[in-house]
Amino acid sequence: QSALTQPASVSGSPGQSITISCTGTSSYVGTYNLVSWYQQEPGKAPKLMIHEVSKRPSGVSNRFSGSKSGNTASLTISGLQAEDEADYYCCSYASTNIYVFGTGTKVTVL
Amino acid sequence: QVQLQESGPGLVKPSQTLSLTCTVSGASISSSGYYWSWIRQHPGKGLDWIGNIYYSGSTYYNPSLESRLAISVDTSKNQFSLKLRFLTAADTAVYYCAREKGGDYYFDYWGQGTLVTVSS
Repeated sequence: QSALTQPASVSGSPGQSITISCTGTSSYVGTYNLVSWYQQEPGKAPKLMIHEVSKRPSGVSNRFSGSKSGNTASLTISGLQAEDEADYYCCSYASTNIYVFGTGTKVTVL
Repeated sequence: QVQLQESGPGLVKPSQTLSLTCTVSGASISSSGYYWSWIRQHPGKGLDWIGNIYYSGSTYYNPSLESRLAISVDTSKNQFSLKLRFLTAADTAVYYCAREKGGDYYFDYWGQGTLVTVSS
């Protein structure tokens, strides 16, 4: 199974909105609403930001939102802040009882 | 507060077997509806799902590792473990354990990760 495709990097100025895409196939992303997003700061473990495409766990800022269209899921960060600078990974469950992660996107706040 | 902690050797020789344990606190590994996963991250690279286990012992493995992999659970110790055989340099990575919400399919709690280097 191939990794889901994400842009290598996305940048924005404070206060702006950015969107990170995550492209898979009908087997991953397309069929089920089982895409999650993780934020990883340098040297730290990933942190769950979004699950089931668009659900936000308790404690995660409402500046983070998720969506999906066809085989592509997206994570949008609104009102970009310096603390949002990190790597972001999407992840999809597949019907074969496995998970596939995205290639990862480095978010830079200019 | 759910916490997971990986433990194991930081350095393993090629062709040997890696054994890692994840100790869970703040939650019972026998709770229904949760799976327990291993995920790794090669240096400077992305995340790779290794496999998972349910408290009953039921497992799912990444097909790319299945022939070398065994995941087990010890409910009495609230731990689950990974054994990966026939190591090569390509297995050098940070290994994370994580709790997986069954049915909703996401990882809500992660360990801090442990770096495993495969080198002679």
